[in-house]
Amino acid sequence: EPEVTQTPSHQVTQMGQEVILRCVPISNHLYFYWYRQILGQKVEFLVSFYNNEISEKSEIFDDQFSVERPDGSNFTLKIRSTKLEDSAMYFCASMQSNYEQYFGPGTRLTVT
Amino acid sequence: AQSVTQPDIHITVSEGASLELRCNYSYGATPYLFWYVQSPGQGLQLLLKYFSGDTLVQGIKGFEAEFKRSQSSFNLRKPSVHWSDAAEYFCAVGAGNNNDMRFGAGTRLTVKP
Repeated sequence: EPEVTQTPSHQVTQMGQEVILRCVPISNHLYFYWYRQILGQKVEFLVSFYNNEISEKSEIFDDQFSVERPDGSNFTLKIRSTKLEDSAMYFCASMQSNYEQYFGPGTRLTVT
Repeated sequence: AQSVTQPDIHITVSEGASLELRCNYSYGATPYLFWYVQSPGQGLQLLLKYFSGDTLVQGIKGFEAEFKRSQSSFNLRKPSVHWSDAAEYFCAVGAGNNNDMRFGAGTRLTVKP
């Protein structure tokens, strides 16, 4: 069964550094998403992406964040200058057109 | 804007007992509703979803949920809980063409032997 994959599974970075989280969505899916979950808290929507542009973004998704689909298969989330409060689990999801999102296993980001 | 409320932060039930997890949503139009389960350190697994039609939906692992528009609720039920059901359960509402999802705060389920 096709699945969403994410790399790395765990990323440790120093405050102020740039990080790129990578996702490979399911191949025939059209919609792509990033969510984050701070430890012990709920899953929060960050951004959705369709037709090579951002469709919707939350108030969390400020100028420090950006997304890209560089090559038709990967979907990346970049944080330009990480802060301690960016430490969280980041989930990628993709959807075809049937309103069912498939989630990846997540990348745990630790900012020190 | 859409939002989801899960009133119960933590629920403990005995193995074999019935379970009901509450979820209330706020959304102006007909929502797409979902229940996900998350085991510790794991990702999100879809249990079931409601888009339209029959308001009682069946999911995996013996779970079901009922959409009640008049109460803006989508409660999750299971007639007999197993120890392996211990996990965090998230209700979510999706909206718009992109189905951007908003999650509830989650309910942690503990199962007593």
